[in-house]
Formats: sequence, structure tokens, C-alpha cells
Amino acid sequence: ETGVTQTPRHLVMGMTNKKSLKCEQHLGHNAMYWYKQSAKKPLELMFVYNFKEQTENNSVPSRFSPECPNSSHLFLHLHTLQPEDSALYLCASSQDLTDTQYFGPGTRLTVL
Amino acid sequence: GENVEQHPSTLSVQEGDSAVIKCTYSDSASNYFPWYKQELGKGPQLIIDIRSNVGEKKDQRIAVTLNKTAKHFSLHITETQPEDSAVYFCAASWGSNDYKLSFGAGTTVTVRA
Repeated sequence: ETGVTQTPRHLVMGMTNKKSLKCEQHLGHNAMYWYKQSAKKPLELMFVYNFKEQTENNSVPSRFSPECPNSSHLFLHLHTLQPEDSALYLCASSQDLTDTQYFGPGTRLTVL
Repeated sequence: GENVEQHPSTLSVQEGDSAVIKCTYSDSASNYFPWYKQELGKGPQLIIDIRSNVGEKKDQRIAVTLNKTAKHFSLHITETQPEDSAVYFCAASWGSNDYKLSFGAGTTVTVRA
């Protein structure tokens, strides 16, 4: 285990649903990340938080809304998603922005 | 942003042989190059990384080489074992921003017993 947990591990939702993905890190890190991993495509950085402040939004559509209430927790709120948003969503954390990123197991999202 | 190309996409090797994966990057300012291993049902895990001030780094059976002039870096796995079977990703930082990583598309490595 890497010390980064994600829930749920699998999620199926309709295009009109609202759901949230949760990430928790037990490593005492200060930076947290959301990535999207689609089939046959490279991992894509979505958001970066450092000390609870968002430092990066990689042109992500507004139907994805991140929230970082503290350095240990990161959420990704989902609403009005499209089928092409189906993917594995990975959370990662690092001690600071220059340190190694440790990934969670991901949430497999399917949008019907 | 950074563009990272990774080859091959699949690699099958006999147990005990070596495996080599190559990546190229586009941003000459990139200075951090990690390699991740992803097993089925798990997130990527760092196996080795290298910074631009170093040409080669080794950790037991794994080594990484970096050619800054040519803008390419490679992963070498020697004496492959069945547990080395996984998907391997290379990544390069966007310029001097270590945390902004662009990943290659991945190489599926299968080690035949």
C-alpha cells in the first residue's frame, strides 16, 4: 500500500447524476493531485493542490469540481458528465511540489 | 506543454533477459524524469527517477539513462522476472516545474517463464 486511499473503487453513474470521488493520504504530505487515465491515452494531470490551495487547473471542464478541505483529503465532485469522461481517476500526493508523487489505486468511473 | 513519446507499446521478453523502454521528450527545460510501474488494479508506483544533472542512475536490476542533448531517456531492466510483468510509464516534467508531469502512453511488459 502507498498510503493513499481512494473511494469508491468503482462507480457507475448516469449523465444527470451528481457524485463525488474521495482521496485520503496518510503520509503527512502537503500536495495532492488528480489525474485522469483513459484507455490507450497517457495519464493527464487535472488539478494540483498545495497546502489546500489550488495551484493548477489543467483546462479541466467545469463539470469536474475539486475540493481540498485539508492537506490529507481531496475530493472530485462530478456532475452532468459525458460518456467520454469514463476513465480511471487517480489521486496522488507528495511531500511538496518537488517530491515524488505517490498514487492511490484509482476510482474506475463509468458514465452511462 | 511537454510531449512525451514512449516505445515500444508492448514488450515480451524471456525470463532472465533484459528489457529496454525508450522515451523522448520535447521541452529542453525539463529536469525531472520519473518511471512508474502499474500493476493490474493498482495505481502507478515510482520505481526510479533521474534529474537532468545526472546521466545514469541504477537501483539493483533497474537503471535509467538520460541523454539531454538528444532529449531521450531509457529504462533498463536486467534479469527480468515474472513479477516484472506490468505496464511501465515514463514521465517528464514541464520545464522546471517538477510537479507538472507529462506521461508517455505506457509499455506493457510481459515476462515469459
